[in-house]
Amino acid sequence: GEDVEQSLFLSVREGDSSVINCTYTDSSSTYLYWYKQEPGAGLQLLTYIFSNMDMKQDQRLTVLLNKKDKHLSLRIADTQTGDSAIYFCAESIANNDMRFGAGTRLTVKP
Amino acid sequence: NAGVTQTPKFQVLKTGQSMTLQCAQDMNHNSMYWYRQDPGMGLRLIYYSASEGTTDKGEVPNGYNVSRLNKREFSLRLESAAPSQTSVYFCASSENKMYEQYFGPGTRLTVT
Repeated sequence: GEDVEQSLFLSVREGDSSVINCTYTDSSSTYLYWYKQEPGAGLQLLTYIFSNMDMKQDQRLTVLLNKKDKHLSLRIADTQTGDSAIYFCAESIANNDMRFGAGTRLTVKP
Repeated sequence: NAGVTQTPKFQVLKTGQSMTLQCAQDMNHNSMYWYRQDPGMGLRLIYYSASEGTTDKGEVPNGYNVSRLNKREFSLRLESAAPSQTSVYFCASSENKMYEQYFGPGTRLTVT
C-alpha cells in the first residue's frame, strides 16, 4: 500500500517498556524518523535511523529497522508518564518528501 | 532563537471567509512546509517551498495558496474557507528537503 501504517493506540504501565511499530512504504527510503507530539504542540524529532543501519540506541530509546519487511519500531525503556504523547513514524520518500503515519497515541498509566 | 513560529494559534471562520496563516523561522532554513493534521490521518502535506522563490504542491493543495515571502516566511492562504478545511495546520522548516523538519506549534482552525 501507499500508507505508512501504525497502530493508533498503545497503553502501558509506568516502568514497563513500550514498543511502537510502523510499516513504511518505500524500500528506497533513505531516512526513517520518529517524531513525538505532546498535547497542543508541534512535532519534535525524537530520533532517526539511516537506512543502512539495523538498530540505533539513544538512552532509553531503541530503534529497530527491518528493511526486508519495511518495518520500523521504537522501544522506550522504563516508560514514564512524561512519555505520554502521540508518536509519528515518517519516511523520506523518493523525491525527498516526507510521508507520515497517522500516529500512535501512547498512554502511560501510573 | 524562537525556531518556527505560527500565528494565529486559534481561528474560527465562517464558510466563504478568507484568511492567511503566517509562519516564520529563524534558523536560516532553505525549505518550508505546510501540513494539515486530521484525526487518524497523520500529517498531509499541503504545499512546500524547497527554497526561496519556489513553491510546489503537496498531497492536498486544493483550496489553498502559499507565498514564500522571503527566506524566513511562508504563508498559507485560504481564499474561501470550507468546513472540510477544519483542521490543525502545522508549518515546518528544514535545512534542505531530506533533512530533519522542525515544526511550529500549530494553528487550530475551525470553519463553521
